Amino acid sequence: EVQLVESGGGLVQPGGSLRLSCAASGFTFSSYGMNWVRQVSGKGLEWVSGVRISDGRTFYADSVKGRFTISRDNSKNALYLQMDSLRADDTAVYYCARGGVGATWGDYWGRGTLVTVSS
Amino acid sequence: DIVMTQSPDSLAVSLGERATINCQSSRSVLHSPNNKNYLAWYQQKPGQPPKVLVYWASTRESGVPDRFSGSGSGTDFTLTISSLQAEDVAVYYCQQYYNLWSFGQGTKVEIK
Repeated sequence: EVQLVESGGGLVQPGGSLRLSCAASGFTFSSYGMNWVRQVSGKGLEWVSGVRISDGRTFYADSVKGRFTISRDNSKNALYLQMDSLRADDTAVYYCARGGVGATWGDYWGRGTLVTVSS
Repeated sequence: DIVMTQSPDSLAVSLGERATINCQSSRSVLHSPNNKNYLAWYQQKPGQPPKVLVYWASTRESGVPDRFSGSGSGTDFTLTISSLQAEDVAVYYCQQYYNLWSFGQGTKVEIK
């Protein structure tokens, strides 16, 4: 059974940093592109970042470019999102989703982890 | 960037009646070499992650009831729920995966 479990969310002050993790199981992690998608409470879905499997290239939404860094460790079946210079408008539930940017849809999603940026 | 626009933002439909949600992309998501539309539909219920219903614009995900169907090509797409059931109350999103990922703003479906 495919499972994606996010962790690392919490309360952080504006300007601070946080590192999210996504633990993957039930499939060959190294064979799939992966993404982070966020959702502000009561609002829609916003794609944040993705890593392409074919060449390992990373992609970012303009809203987080230069502040967030996506990475993966295939030996640990894990996806990460390093979030720096956090702002109040980064407050959201962050989902990990399997799928290839520019290639495939999000066929499996985790349950999300809440990030709150507030003083 | 490809901008996805859904209509309406919300709709109320009687049980057993048809619900239709539209999605328009700012540019075509049809990939000519494989003739596939890089368009998916998701259902999201409160407190849950999105669940894929349809991909390649019209291919129903395994286990999804056949009352859900997707259609369209190029820039204009539709998700149809042929006979609305109580468990279909949710927010529905379209997504393009042709160029990175982007989502429509969502359509909330309720019972009239």
